[in-house]
Amino acid sequence: AQSVTQLGSHVSVSEGALVLLRCNYSSSVPPYLFWYVQYPNQGLQLLLKYTSAATLVKGINGFEAEFKKSETSFHLTKPSAHMSDAAEYFCAVSAGANSKLTFGKGITLSVRP
Amino acid sequence: DSGVTQTPKHLITATGQRVTLRCSPRSGDLSVYWYQQSLDQGLQFLIHYYNGEERAKGNILERFSAQQFPDLHSELNLSSLELGDSALYFCASSPEGGFSYEQYFGPGTRLTVT
Repeated sequence: AQSVTQLGSHVSVSEGALVLLRCNYSSSVPPYLFWYVQYPNQGLQLLLKYTSAATLVKGINGFEAEFKKSETSFHLTKPSAHMSDAAEYFCAVSAGANSKLTFGKGITLSVRP
Repeated sequence: DSGVTQTPKHLITATGQRVTLRCSPRSGDLSVYWYQQSLDQGLQFLIHYYNGEERAKGNILERFSAQQFPDLHSELNLSSLELGDSALYFCASSPEGGFSYEQYFGPGTRLTVT
């Protein structure tokens, strides 16, 4: 079985501040981990993914995430928030290449001017 | 623009009715995935087709069915609709058949059941 926990439903930061969105996963085998972003009225877009190579993964738009097996975490960070980062962010896990993607509930990021 | 198209964008129908949602994957992608997004359940995987064959099933109700045609487009059929079926239905595609690959999502079809 696999699952994802995204604590909290909403995060608000000031423009220029650090963005930290938390994701904890559960998987019985080494997982594949993903962060997707959903802008209003659009489909999901992949930000980055972890597939057992480097534990620090860099994605698009300045985002990165670190896989920490001991903490079963895959938190998403960005050093400096931009107004255009306001969106909903989903963490997802797949317990192996042939295992379905399970998404977390999502976190809405707001960026204050 | 992901290259995945979905029609229609919006659909309003009554309980008990049947609807068909259509998805065209990115050019060259062999896999199509269907997801349901609702406030109650979040984003749930429904079903995966690869090159015309069903590969994996998720939380898909028996009232729902899907298929992928030889030209690789896919249709999701929802029948005996209930109020609780109101949701955003996304289609995604990827070049290969595994869930480790990036999935490219379409803009979704918003279904409202009244």
